Amino acid sequence: DQQVKQNSPSLSVQEGRISILNCDYTNSMFDYFLWYKKYPAEGPTFLISISSIKDKNEDGRFTVFLNKSAKHLSLHIVPSQPGDSAVYFCTGGSEKLVFGKGTKLTVNP
Amino acid sequence: EAGVAQSPRYKIIEKRQSVAFWCNPISGHATLYWYQQILGQGPKLLIQFQNNGVVDDSQLPKDRFSAERLKGVDSTLKIQPAKLEDSAVYLCASSVSTASSYNSPLHFGNGTRLTVT
Repeated sequence: DQQVKQNSPSLSVQEGRISILNCDYTNSMFDYFLWYKKYPAEGPTFLISISSIKDKNEDGRFTVFLNKSAKHLSLHIVPSQPGDSAVYFCTGGSEKLVFGKGTKLTVNP
Repeated sequence: EAGVAQSPRYKIIEKRQSVAFWCNPISGHATLYWYQQILGQGPKLLIQFQNNGVVDDSQLPKDRFSAERLKGVDSTLKIQPAKLEDSAVYLCASSVSTASSYNSPLHFGNGTRLTVT
């Protein structure tokens, strides 16, 4: 049972453009969501979070949008930079975190 | 602030052998987690400790996996005997609070890559 789904395994974007990473979930009990970023051979690092009572949270170039009725959230990165190239994990949380499979973002110079 | 330390970084063993991983969390972090990340998948929680006690081990294959957290600090995860399907990266994470991860995001170590042949 995949409670958090990231249907795009990979995404390629030009430097300076917007990157949009999407995530769908099935568990209505999630009361918060977090995005983690992972570089090769390193552990995931926390990027940004959003409570289920909010529909948007912004932190610098990163914005997360939550659409509860559609059980969908997205991470926007504007402008994208080559250093943003990494695997991005969407997670849903209640008693514990559930990770999606990740989306590999490549930002081309 | 020093990060979460894990060792070894890599381990190759044959099936039916045993292996142990070590984790030293960030100082003062009450909660410690072990995750398994199989290639192409997201991390899956194996066990969660709060100080010395186990909070959640529902996804730990207890017939072969064991974990302990000594004195509420360091932790070891053991696999005995290993199977081919145990090949994965084993990630240790810690957090300050015992509350939800929303207010206390997890800090991950760099993981141990296990290959079982």
